[in-house]
Amino acid sequence: DAMVIQNPRYQVTQFGKPVTLSCSQTLNHNVMYWYQQKSSQAPKLLFHYYDKDFNNEADTPDNFQSRRPNTSFCFLDIRSPGLGDAAMYLCATSWTRSVGETQYFGPGTRLLVL
Amino acid sequence: AQSVAQPEDQVNVAEGNPLTVKCTYSVSGNPYLFWYVQYPNRGLQFLLKYITGDNLVKGSYGFEAEFNKSQTSFHLKKPSALVSDSALYFCAVDGGGNKLTFGTGTQLKVEL
Repeated sequence: DAMVIQNPRYQVTQFGKPVTLSCSQTLNHNVMYWYQQKSSQAPKLLFHYYDKDFNNEADTPDNFQSRRPNTSFCFLDIRSPGLGDAAMYLCATSWTRSVGETQYFGPGTRLLVL
Repeated sequence: AQSVAQPEDQVNVAEGNPLTVKCTYSVSGNPYLFWYVQYPNRGLQFLLKYITGDNLVKGSYGFEAEFNKSQTSFHLKKPSALVSDSALYFCAVDGGGNKLTFGTGTQLKVEL
């Protein structure tokens, strides 16, 4: 089945220690998104890639970076995690950026910062 | 700017009864509206969306949603609730460029 995969499902890191979260997709979608979802809150878009074109949201902290080496993979790098970065990180994909296009989400990676 | 509001933090319903999860929206142009469901420690699953056309949209798992332009609402419904429907439900609006703005979520609890 075509799907969006996130690894690991749970990640524990130390305060200030860089961490990378991974997302892969077999849907061959052009767009990949990263969302941050804090406990019992709505998901918040951090950034997205349309093909190789990176699009950052205005209020995304500089501490968050992303890489997309090919169509299938996208990484979220947190350079110096703080306690406030503990959250569920959701990857999503869509075929285009056309308005109304459905986004398909992975299962998420829950990040714990000690 | 676009926004959606989910006025109820939690909805409780007995199994077998109809359920409604409410959503109202505010957009400057045509509304493109979505419903997603999230089970504990899982990602969001797409249920249905309204783009244009019929005001009653049918989706996955027996869910449907009614688009009402005059009331700016997009309520999620199901004729007969199941215990397995218990989850967190998010309404979302596409504000352009496929950027979704989510509501705060409604926890649905279906009891035997």
